[in-house]
Parts: sequence; C-alpha cells; structure tokens
Amino acid sequence: QVQLLQSAAEVKKPGASVKISCEASGYIFTDYRIHWVRQAPGQRLEWMGWISAGDGDTKYSQTLQGRVTFTRDTSARRVHIEVTALRSEDTAVYYCARESSRYYNWFDPWGQGTLVTVSS
Amino acid sequence: DIQMTQSPSFVSASVGDRVTITCRASQDISSWLAWYQQKPGKAPKLLIYAASRLQSGVPPRFSGSGSGTDFTLTISNLQPEDSATYYCQQANTGPFTFGPGTNVEIE
Repeated sequence: QVQLLQSAAEVKKPGASVKISCEASGYIFTDYRIHWVRQAPGQRLEWMGWISAGDGDTKYSQTLQGRVTFTRDTSARRVHIEVTALRSEDTAVYYCARESSRYYNWFDPWGQGTLVTVSS
Repeated sequence: DIQMTQSPSFVSASVGDRVTITCRASQDISSWLAWYQQKPGKAPKLLIYAASRLQSGVPPRFSGSGSGTDFTLTISNLQPEDSATYYCQQANTGPFTFGPGTNVEIE
C-alpha cells in the first residue's frame, strides 16, 4: 500500500537548521507531488508547499519562502525539507503528504509526522 | 489568502447521534474542499474531497455537502471511534489553508 515514512524527531537550538526526510513506497514515486504541512502545538494545520517528485519543481508558502527548501532523491524515493534560521515558533510536527490524485491539492496518505522542537 | 472558519469548535454527542460541522471559506472555492479527521498524536486522514466525494475506505456514515463558500460535514450514527478533531481545507488556491478544527467528543 501507499506509505510515507518520516525521519525521527529533532531538537534544535534557535538559529540552527533542520532537515527532515520522507520516504515513499507503494506507488510510482515520480508521478506525484509531495506536500509539506506543519502543526504547531494546539494550532491548526499550516500548508508549507510542495515538491514535484518527477521534475523537482517546487512551490512554497510565501510566509516561509526563503527559510524552507524542498529537495528530492528519486533513487532513494525520498523527499526532504530543510528549515533554516529556526525560531521557537517553528516548534511543530512536520508532515509530508502525497496529493491523493495527480494535480489535486488534497492529501492522502500522510507521513506519521516528525516533531521538531526549537529550544535553547 | 483564503481564510477558513469552522463551527462549532467543540461538540459533544452520544453514540448513534448525527453531528454536523460547518466550514466557511472567505471567498468562492467552488467544490475545492476536503475534510480530514485527526486523532491525538496521529496524522490527519482524508475523509471527503471535492466537497462531497467519499475517500476510499471511509465509512459511508461520513458525508459532505456544499459549494461556493459554505460546506458541511455530517457524521450519521456517531460511533466511539469518531472521537477526533475534524478539519476542512480549501484546495482551490495556494496557500492551501485549513480551518481551525472541530473537536468531536463522545458523551
């Protein structure tokens, strides 16, 4: 079945960077875009952007543009998100999620989530 | 950005009840709306897409309706496993924004 498996939780200091991975299985990796969504404690879900696993094209939320980078490794069937200049407000669970159908912006399945804690 | 609101923020109901959650978009999104269920410590799960289409594997007691700016999610014959937070999400225009969530508690 289609699955997304994310890397383990991270603890970072303010100003540092973090890179999270998301490994896909059960489908043709290059056929779909992967989106990134985060959820700060007690907050609503926040869409961060997407990467096309096929051609590497990306789209970022304007609120995060400049601090976030999506990359993909087609041989490893992985996508990555790197967030730089971390602040306490970046403390959140970060999810990768596949578009449920090609070019439609609803998401299924989701990875299990990666908790990033930013604390001095 | 398109703003999404939901009501109520919390609902408590009994097994077998019918629960209705409302979602409103700040501008016309046609039928570009999805509903997700999220249980504590878990990732969201897609229930409904295109406002009214049931995702494969989702029980038919879940249904969605609406178009334009006003949408509803209805859970008929509420079950104990439906205790969760429910989010709407607009898929019309980036950034793809979510509602604040509705917490459904089983009495």
